[in-house]
Amino acid sequence: AQSVTQLGSHVSVSEGALVLLRCNYSSSVPPYLFWYVQYPNQGLQLLLKYTSAATLVKGINGFEAEFKKSETSFHLTKPSAHMSDAAEYFCAVTGAGGTSYGKLTFGQGTILTVHP
Amino acid sequence: DSGVTQTPKHLITATGQRVTLRCSPRSGDLSVYWYQQSLDQGLQFLIQYYNGEERAKGNILERFSAQQFPDLHSELNLSSLELGDSALYFCASSVRGGGTYGYTFGSGTRLTVV
Repeated sequence: AQSVTQLGSHVSVSEGALVLLRCNYSSSVPPYLFWYVQYPNQGLQLLLKYTSAATLVKGINGFEAEFKKSETSFHLTKPSAHMSDAAEYFCAVTGAGGTSYGKLTFGQGTILTVHP
Repeated sequence: DSGVTQTPKHLITATGQRVTLRCSPRSGDLSVYWYQQSLDQGLQFLIQYYNGEERAKGNILERFSAQQFPDLHSELNLSSLELGDSALYFCASSVRGGGTYGYTFGSGTRLTVV
């Protein structure tokens, strides 16, 4: 079984500040990890994904995430927040094999607010 | 445009009714996944089809059913609708299992049951 915990349902930052959204996962098989962003009244857009290659993954819009197996974490960061980053962010996991293969399990989401 | 098409975008219906949500996957993708997004439950996996066959099932209610057709489009059927079924329903597609190749999501169907 797999699960994802996103620490903090709401994160608020000032424009230009560091963005850090936390994600911890639990997986009985080597995980594939994803971050998605959802803007109001829109679908889910892939930001980045980890698929067992480089542990530091760079995504779109200046976001990146680092896979840390020892900490079972996959935190999302961006050095400088922009007003357009305000959205809800979801961390998700799927397994590399087994019965969970193919199914994405999502965290509860973190709403990012960016203040001017 | 993600390449995954969901219709209709909005649906308002009464309790007890039946609706069908449609999803056309991205060209070349064989797997289709259905998810339900609600305020209290978050994003919940419902069901997966791969090349026409059911591959995995999540917490899908018995009142809900789905299928994937030979042209790979999928339909999610919701019957005996209840107020609590009001949610955003997403379809996603992937080439195969999704882990390696990633998932592409549609823009969703917002279902309101009144």
